[in-house]
Amino acid sequence: RKEVEQDPGPFNVPEGATVAFNCTYSNSASQSFFWYRQDCRKEPKLLMSVYSSGNEDGRFTAQLNRASQYISLLIRDSKLSDSATYLCVVSVQAGTALIFGKGTTLSVSS
Amino acid sequence: NAGVTQTPKFQVLKTGQSMTLQCAQDMNHNSMYWYRQDPGMGLRLIYYSASEGTTDKGEVPNGYNVSRLNKREFSLRLESAAPSQTSVYFCASSDGPRDIQYFGAGTRLSVL
Repeated sequence: RKEVEQDPGPFNVPEGATVAFNCTYSNSASQSFFWYRQDCRKEPKLLMSVYSSGNEDGRFTAQLNRASQYISLLIRDSKLSDSATYLCVVSVQAGTALIFGKGTTLSVSS
Repeated sequence: NAGVTQTPKFQVLKTGQSMTLQCAQDMNHNSMYWYRQDPGMGLRLIYYSASEGTTDKGEVPNGYNVSRLNKREFSLRLESAAPSQTSVYFCASSDGPRDIQYFGAGTRLSVL
């Protein structure tokens, strides 16, 4: 079983839509959780950390369910500039390896 | 701010040639990482260094060696390149307790 699994998509949505991405992880000892964004042919960049209580950053909301080992990302009012691949990332121990999902591709059209 | 700098950005090698990918960070981070990214495979960890003087294997270390030259620099060496090593290579460093990794712009390597 892959350690971090994501629906690869692509998700094709119109501007203004709300879109949700899901991710599951297999290691119950995982400690830290993130969503990274990767634009085509660019490096991954942190979008947001994910906390147990859930957290919001503008149009982006992340949720963590430790019992179900499930992470989600909600994007409201999608913009053209949100088109990218979104990577679900998990860490078991700080300073060691991050485990990356393969990513979910989002395409927002006008 | 420079952040994480990788060189070169592009490289073409012939099978059997060797080369070293360079990575330097100016954020005073202890941990540094090398990943490769292939279509449909996602990012896979090759080696990492939790601190100066230490290195550990990741998921796909075969065919690679690393050197943590000092706190700033972490290099990746291909001793005898193979076509299977054609990939995009990313170096990253992390800020310790928050565990957020910052990536370089990548090296696009083709082995013919």
